[in-house]
Amino acid sequence: EVQLVESGGGLVQPGGSLRLSCAASGFTFSSYDMHWVRQATGKGLEWVSAIGTAGDTYYPGSVKGRFTISRENAKNSLYLQMNSLRAGDTAVYYCARGTTKGYFDLWGRGTLVTVSS
Amino acid sequence: SYVLTQPPSVSVAPGQTARITCGGNNIGSKSVHWYQQKPGQAPVLVVYDDSDRPSGIPERFSGSNSGNTATLTISRVEAGDEADYYCQVWDSSSVVFGGGTKLTVL
Repeated sequence: EVQLVESGGGLVQPGGSLRLSCAASGFTFSSYDMHWVRQATGKGLEWVSAIGTAGDTYYPGSVKGRFTISRENAKNSLYLQMNSLRAGDTAVYYCARGTTKGYFDLWGRGTLVTVSS
Repeated sequence: SYVLTQPPSVSVAPGQTARITCGGNNIGSKSVHWYQQKPGQAPVLVVYDDSDRPSGIPERFSGSNSGNTATLTISRVEAGDEADYYCQVWDSSSVVFGGGTKLTVL
């Protein structure tokens, strides 16, 4: 089955760190760009990071310097290392498969990250 | 940074046509993609490249894009279409989402 499954979410204190994982199955993971997208409760979708097939990475200003996206093709896995977490980072984090035309054709179910003391 | 503007809400009666707009500066020069998100679920792609439909998406879903406005059109609206809808583009190596539109089926 073609799917993405996120894990690693939880409660973390402000200033803390967390590492999210996304396990891919059912497709050739190494052939796709991969992304993280988050959604705060009751809010819209916010793009968090992207990694290309060659390992090139992209971030919006809101997380640049704090978050690091990486991938391990041998394990069909995507990661998001989140440091210096803030209350505003509280959200459900989705892993999404990108396409060459710039849209996301496969999403995971998400993992909840809560930043609170 | 590039901004996409969507109306917060659209209401339509069953069987009627819903139109959800996505405004952006010269958005007609970009490829626009649309997602449907129901409560507690991940987004689902419903239209890509302005007007193409992924397999499994009903023909009732269509899209257009010109000038400064892209539009998602849902014909013969059903109760099951009630959801949040988001437009999305790429701009300067960044992904941009619209703020989302809540479609209410009366």
